Amino acid sequence: ETGVTQSPTHLIKTRGQQVTLRCSSQSGHNTVSWYQQALGQGPQFIFQYYREEENGRGNFPPRFSGLQFPNYSSELNVNALELDDSALYLCASTLEVSNTEAFFGQGTRLTVV
Amino acid sequence: RKEVEQDPGPFNVPEGATVAFNCTYSNSASQSFFWYRQDCRKEPKLLMSVYSSGNEDGRFTAQLNRASQYISLLIRDSKLSDSATYLCVVNPPPSNTGKLIFGQGTTLQVKP
Repeated sequence: ETGVTQSPTHLIKTRGQQVTLRCSSQSGHNTVSWYQQALGQGPQFIFQYYREEENGRGNFPPRFSGLQFPNYSSELNVNALELDDSALYLCASTLEVSNTEAFFGQGTRLTVV
Repeated sequence: RKEVEQDPGPFNVPEGATVAFNCTYSNSASQSFFWYRQDCRKEPKLLMSVYSSGNEDGRFTAQLNRASQYISLLIRDSKLSDSATYLCVVNPPPSNTGKLIFGQGTTLQVKP
């Protein structure tokens, strides 16, 4: 086990709704990244949070937003859900912002109907 | 062109076989390279980092060719437990983030 925990593990939402996913980073890790993994694809980088600020963003629209808290835990918020947002959402923590050895949580499987 | 490209497979091999996976990346300024393993419906886990000099971990050997922007993973003496999806991963510039770019993944099925 990596020590990165995500909640909830599964979620079903209706198109147009909003969702919040949560992640607790591994102890001592100050950087959290979020990834979206569609079925049959590799994970795609959404954004990274370091010192409570966004530090890099992938090719995702503004309705994907996030937060990082002083204890380094993080939230991913998605507004106006679309059917294509159905995916496994993975959180990864690293010891420092430039460290690339990432430890992943088990993911949240989101289904939009 | 995708930033990281892999042959999705699947690769179906018998136990004991040697299998090789290849991957190409588009950003020549990339600095760090990895292979991750992902079991069905689980999270990715780091298998090994890839260095220019090549590196080996038991039955697994990773190679990097910067000139060709090519990464490989060789698995010798395949075990049933090696069945998984293998993800080629690159850390592109800028180097002050840990952003990872994943390939699509190559599926390996080892059969008895």
